[in-house]
Amino acid sequence: AQSVAQPEDQVNVAEGNPLTVKCTYSVSGNPYLFWYVQYPNRGLQFLLKYITGDNLVKGSYGFEAEFNKSQTSFHLKKPSALVSDSALYFCAVTPGDYKLSFGAGTTVTVRA
Amino acid sequence: DVKVTQSSRYLVKRTGEKVFLECVQDMDHENMFWYRQDPGLGLRLIYFSYDVKMKEKGDIPEGYSVSREKKERFSLILESASTNQTSMYLCASSSVAVPGDRAPYGYTFGSGTRLTVV
Repeated sequence: AQSVAQPEDQVNVAEGNPLTVKCTYSVSGNPYLFWYVQYPNRGLQFLLKYITGDNLVKGSYGFEAEFNKSQTSFHLKKPSALVSDSALYFCAVTPGDYKLSFGAGTTVTVRA
Repeated sequence: DVKVTQSSRYLVKRTGEKVFLECVQDMDHENMFWYRQDPGLGLRLIYFSYDVKMKEKGDIPEGYSVSREKKERFSLILESASTNQTSMYLCASSSVAVPGDRAPYGYTFGSGTRLTVV
C-alpha cells in the first residue's frame, strides 16, 4: 500500500523568503505525485504533478516541486513567498491506479 | 472548465435528522469519493464508488451510507445525524487511472460542504 508523510504540521515564513513544504512517499513501482492547495472553507485545488521526465516540475502560482527518487521525496518550493500563499497544502501519491493517498497536510503561514 | 459541484456550502442540521449531501460531476468520471476533513486528521475516506450502483467502504463508513443511481451523481447520507459528524465534507471524482487524459489533475474536488450538527 502506498503512503505519504508530510513531516511538518506547520511552516511559517516571512513574505519574500523561500518557502519549502516537505513530502516523502512510499509506493510500489513508479510514483505519480501531486500537490494540492486548500484555502479556508474550500475544496482542494491542483497545483502540480510529477509523472515522468524532468525532476523539477513547475506548477501554478510560481510553485515548483523537485522529485528525488533516491530519497523518495517530492518537496514543494517557492522562491519568494507571498501572504496569499497562506493555505493548507497536501501531497499525494498513486502507483497509477485510481487510488490516491494523501498526506496529513501542512499549514503554511506567510507573514507580512 | 471541468467541475465537481456540491449542492451546499454550509449546512446546519439537528441531531437525529437524516441528512443528504449531494455531489455532481460533469467529467464522465467513473470514480467518485466522499471524504471528511477535520483539523489535525487530514482527509479521511468515507466511501467511494467505481461505477453506478457500486460502492465500497472507506476508512470511516460508520454512520454514513451512499447512493449512486447515475454516473454523474454521488450522494452521502447521514442516517441519523450526530454532533460528532460536524465536519467539512469533500466530494471528488477521477477516471479509472490517475493521472490520465480524463483526470489530468488526479482527483477533482468540489468546494466542500461544512456541516454543523446541533
